[in-house]
Amino acid sequence: DQQVKQNSPSLSVQEGRISILNCDYTNSMFDYFLWYKKYPAEGPTFLISISSIKDKNEDGRFTVFLNKSAKHLSLHIVPSQPGDSAVYFCAARPPNTGNQFYFGTGTSLTVIP
Amino acid sequence: DAGVTQSPTHLIKTRGQQVTLRCSPKSGHDTVSWYQQALGQGPQFIFQYYEEEERQRGNFPDRFSGHQFPNYSSELNVNALLLGDSALYLCASSLWGWDTEAFFGQGTRLTVV
Repeated sequence: DQQVKQNSPSLSVQEGRISILNCDYTNSMFDYFLWYKKYPAEGPTFLISISSIKDKNEDGRFTVFLNKSAKHLSLHIVPSQPGDSAVYFCAARPPNTGNQFYFGTGTSLTVIP
Repeated sequence: DAGVTQSPTHLIKTRGQQVTLRCSPKSGHDTVSWYQQALGQGPQFIFQYYEEEERQRGNFPDRFSGHQFPNYSSELNVNALLLGDSALYLCASSLWGWDTEAFFGQGTRLTVV
């Protein structure tokens, strides 16, 4: 049972444009959401998070939006840079589980110079 | 700060054998989680240790077991290896009970032949 879904396996964007990565979840109890970036041969690196009490969180070029009614979150990267090319995973956590995360299957982002 | 370190980085085992993977958490972290990432998939939660006890467990058979030591480091043991156990095994550390991200190690690539 895949509780966190990333329906786009890959995305290509021109340098300087906006990248939008999407994620859907099924468990309405999830209260904390994160995005991780992963380069080949490395472990996932934390990018940005959002609590369920918020609907937006920004950190530099990265913004995460949460739509609880739609059980949907998205990651916006503006402007996109070639170094952003990586696999992006969204993850979600139920409350009181000490950071037990459910991950999506990932979206491979390619930023074209 | 060395971050989360895992050993070994690569391992080849024969079907039916047993394997032990090791993880040292980021300094100051008290909780260790283990994830299995199969090729093309997102990380799947195996279990989590806090205060030397297994606190949460994902949908993995009893062949997967673990341990946490007083210095917060952890081991993942897999018995009676199957070909399907071939995957990247990720260790993540965090603080128990806080809305913080989990920091991942670079993983151990296990190949069962």
